[in-house]
Amino acid sequence: DIVMTQTPLSLSVTPGQPASISCKSSQSLLHSDGKTYLYWYLQKPGQSPQLLIYEVSNRFSGVPDRFSGSGSGTDFTLKISRVEAEDVGVYYCMQSIQLPRTFGQGTKVEIK
Amino acid sequence: EVQLVQSGAEVKKPGATVKISCKVSGYTFTDYYMHWVQQAPGKGLEWMGLVDPEDGETIYAEKFQGRVTITADTSTDTAYMELSSLRSEDTAVYYCATDQGHSWFDPWGQGTLVTVSS
Repeated sequence: DIVMTQTPLSLSVTPGQPASISCKSSQSLLHSDGKTYLYWYLQKPGQSPQLLIYEVSNRFSGVPDRFSGSGSGTDFTLKISRVEAEDVGVYYCMQSIQLPRTFGQGTKVEIK
Repeated sequence: EVQLVQSGAEVKKPGATVKISCKVSGYTFTDYYMHWVQQAPGKGLEWMGLVDPEDGETIYAEKFQGRVTITADTSTDTAYMELSSLRSEDTAVYYCATDQGHSWFDPWGQGTLVTVSS
């Protein structure tokens, strides 16, 4: 199974300040079709996870442009340019290049 | 609008079996895989398996193989996840999620809490 490792596991951010989360995979997520199968989800308190970013850097429908994803191969980053109160929750990276789908441990983001 | 509505919370004794439902609307049920994900209290997300409603074919994560059964009822557009030989470690919220033909999960059901306690 592909192991997904996120850092940090928690983050306390002042509103308006940037935040960054790293995700590393134990195998390359670059497929022979040219796509890289790395995704970012946010699970707000008491809610189901919601998709933020697909295939490394594409914002999902309705996701604010303060969220951005980057990376390649095995190293990926989610950045929030200016954190807002509504961004609190746990962020997960996920790979879907192979089964079983695997997630990072999650990064809890809170507001200072 | 695509919606996945799951059945309500369950309390089970160790050794029992639980069966959770996930009713879909807003798309053709047989078009896309349905996945199930476990989230233990205060823990992360763990993929359990999937079903292809078109033909009922399933794939399970090794961790749950032998104890989990995922099925799809095309007459009611409902997917089911059955977990047997329950133990305390199975206390968790269970989510269904469709992939709508993509490599990501969206949308997700609202989650079903299963509590295993004697």
